[in-house]
Amino acid sequence: DTGVSQDPRHKITKRGQNVTFRCDPISEHNRLYWYRQTLGQGPEFLTYFQNEAQLEKSRLLSDRFSAERPKGSFSTLEIQRTEQGDSAMYLCASSNAVRQGDSGANVLTFGAGSRLTVL
Amino acid sequence: DQQVKQNSPSLSVQEGRISILNCDYTNSMFDYFLWYKKYPAEGPTFLISISSIKDKNEDGRFTVFLNKSAKHLSLHIVPSQPGDSAVYFCAASAPFGNEKLTFGTGTRLTIIP
Repeated sequence: DTGVSQDPRHKITKRGQNVTFRCDPISEHNRLYWYRQTLGQGPEFLTYFQNEAQLEKSRLLSDRFSAERPKGSFSTLEIQRTEQGDSAMYLCASSNAVRQGDSGANVLTFGAGSRLTVL
Repeated sequence: DQQVKQNSPSLSVQEGRISILNCDYTNSMFDYFLWYKKYPAEGPTFLISISSIKDKNEDGRFTVFLNKSAKHLSLHIVPSQPGDSAVYFCAASAPFGNEKLTFGTGTRLTIIP
């Protein structure tokens, strides 16, 4: 297993265009998360899936954002009518339902991210 | 509403000395705390975690201390090595039913050879 894969790694687009990011989680993980990170900030939660069900969405996820995980495996995050404020690193992470870590924490494994620049 | 705070944006420590990174939180419902490390152009990687029922957890050179009454935790790295230079994020999660991690803003640690 190669870990969590994200594609593309970098995307430059013009304001108003649509973009789509793909995430392939660790195969045995049933939970998948999307986070956004801007300069000088920590990762901010956007949404998460358990299998194909989207269980929680942040208020940061405006109507222009949509995420899917149709077969409970890979996921896509689409941003419609991009704005300059959407420029950020979009991070995908996965975990399984069994709490891990030495203390039993829900350990998320992150991908390298997809960097979006909106001109 | 910043529920997890890392008030030091940066920290420089000499190689071989102890690095201490601090984190404060406001949500008393948090029951697990995690530290992640991030190198440039990579995603955050898990380092160590602690349950709220413990006050210390140790893994090799890394030790996390939790002071629940002060809503404060710290990560100690000893001895510090050049490869420890990275951005460190503190994160927290609440009990089952709310599985996301809430992250702090990070502290950039630089180890000086």
